[in-house]
Amino acid sequence: NAGVMQNPRHLVRRRGQEARLRCSPMKGHSHVYWYRQLPEEGLKFMVYLQKENIIDESGMPKERFSAEFPKEGPSILRIQQVVRGDSAAYFCASSPSPSAEGQYYEQYFGPGTRLTVT
Amino acid sequence: ELKVEQNPLFLSMQEGKNYTIYCNYSTTSDRLYWYRQDPGKSLESLFVLLSNGAVKQEGRLMASLDTKARLSTLHITAAVHDLSATYFCAVVLGNAGNMLTFGGGTRLMVKP
Repeated sequence: NAGVMQNPRHLVRRRGQEARLRCSPMKGHSHVYWYRQLPEEGLKFMVYLQKENIIDESGMPKERFSAEFPKEGPSILRIQQVVRGDSAAYFCASSPSPSAEGQYYEQYFGPGTRLTVT
Repeated sequence: ELKVEQNPLFLSMQEGKNYTIYCNYSTTSDRLYWYRQDPGKSLESLFVLLSNGAVKQEGRLMASLDTKARLSTLHITAAVHDLSATYFCAVVLGNAGNMLTFGGGTRLMVKP
């Protein structure tokens, strides 16, 4: 059972370009979470998605950032017009859908995409 | 807003010594996780603590949770060099679905 896959693992973009980060959840997982880790800091929640639905995007910057998780294919985190401050490691995690209220499933993290903006 | 604070931020210790990392959080939480991260790598789940008084142990690491004090500890016994890594605690806010709020991390360096 393959784990959470992310690609690319490393991405270099010039200021003003677009960055697309992909995340394929573990088999059987229908929930995806994106986190950002700035150098020497902890991870910060960005967005939580189910297939074709954004559950919570309270951690997403209001401009330039968007996320989707289509019915088919990976989840995509898209950053338009990147700036140097976007340089970070972006981690995706996935979990199954809770089958009952109050139930939880642990999140499994992917290897991350390290974005460098030059 | 849920805040999670860890201390110390950096810990340098000799092999064979014991030490404790602390994780404080600001509001009621359903559960608390401890993760390990090696440089340039992803997060490895160590423990999940669900209830007051929960204690879990794996090898030289032991984690505990006091929900009344909103405090978790990660105790390291007889440290070895292989434990060198950054350790994060993360908390789920009760009404926030499954989103994790992370502490700033404790960078542990164990010297031979």
